[in-house]
Formats: sequence, C-alpha cells, structure tokens
Amino acid sequence: GAVVSQHPSRVICKSGTSVKIECRSLDFQATTMFWYRQFPKQSLMLMATSNEGSKATYEQGVEKDKFLINHASLTLSTLTVTSAHPEDSSFYICSARWRGTDTQYFGPGTRLTVL
Amino acid sequence: AQSVTQPDIHITVSEGASLELRCNYSYGATPYLFWYVQSPGQGLQLLLKYFSGDTLVQGIKGFEAEFKRSQSSFNLRKPSVHWSDAAEYFCAVGAGENNNDMRFGAGTRLTVKP
Repeated sequence: GAVVSQHPSRVICKSGTSVKIECRSLDFQATTMFWYRQFPKQSLMLMATSNEGSKATYEQGVEKDKFLINHASLTLSTLTVTSAHPEDSSFYICSARWRGTDTQYFGPGTRLTVL
Repeated sequence: AQSVTQPDIHITVSEGASLELRCNYSYGATPYLFWYVQSPGQGLQLLLKYFSGDTLVQGIKGFEAEFKRSQSSFNLRKPSVHWSDAAEYFCAVGAGENNNDMRFGAGTRLTVKP
C-alpha cells in the first residue's frame, strides 16, 4: 500500500519551454502532497506543500510563478516548470500523505534535463 | 527550525558485516524521526520511523534504529549487510502540523564490498 507514482520518469526539453510533471497516489487519497527538488549528490529540498483544493504553499526562495503546482484532486498533483532554463535541471520528487497520518510516501522521481 | 546532520558522507562495509549509520537532529520538541533509503535514480522508500514509545524501532529489510534523546541521535543499524543494501540513506526530522515541514540530512552513501 501507499504507492505514489510520477510521470514522466525522465524528460528532456529545450530552454524556454514548459514541462509538466504528474504525481499520483495510487491506493490512497492524498490530502497533502509535497514537491521536492534534489540536486546531484545532495539532499532533498522542499519546494512546496499543497492541500487538495487549495493553493500551494511555497518555501522561501521558490518562485511560485515559475513552478506552478496544482492539486485538483485527491489523487493527482502536477508541477509545471514554466519557461525552463538549464539551471532548472534537477531531480524532482513528490510525496503524499493522507489525512491523519504523519508519514510521507515518496514517488520515484522525475529527472528533468533542460538543454 | 529543526535540522538533521548525517556526519558520514560515504561508508563502505563488507557484505555480511554490521552497519551503523549516524544521524543527529536538532529540534526543540519531541521529534518525529524517519530513515529513508534511495536507490540510484529512484525515489525514497521509508525504512522506519519513530514518533513515541519504545526507543528501539524495527523497520523493513532487517533495519533498526535507536532514538537517544540525551544524544539527540537516531542511528540506523543492521547486523548483517547484503549487497542489495548499497544505496543512499537519508535521515529526516518532521515538524509542524502532521510533519509537513520535513528536513532531510545530506545523506550517507553506502557501498557494500563483496
């Protein structure tokens, strides 16, 4: 149980384009979803937290207009990297939890490469 | 704010040997502590967690961790390492409502020698 998927697993795009990453909870209702960014050989940095049906809460230093997060349903959250640049290249990982639990369950991650 | 330190960036052990990965945390209240494992190019898998109660916590894959409040530590142990345990290990401390504010250590990369 508690399976979280992400799609795509890898994406390569040109600079200036937008990329959408999906995060799905497959066997539970994710009342809260989280988006993290991980640079090579580094730890995870929380980008934003989203509750279903509400606007996402972004961490300090994360541009909300650049990283658009939508959590429209209890099983799906999307992260859209707008006008991507090479410095946005990274490993993006989502996690989710259901109401009443304190544990986050992580997706397999999405490797974004911006050329 | 809470923080986590994993003092060892890289550890190498022989297959069959015992393992201990160190984790120290800083948090003003009773912490919620987690250990996750990440294989290359993959997401994080929860190994075990501590919220309260027995300070020795059993997890999956034969791992255990011990919470020591006096030392602000939550070290991960395994009595006999398998080659498949080679991965990156992250300690994390949660805070805030439902642990929404999760802070991760820098990670410890485990290499297993045959």
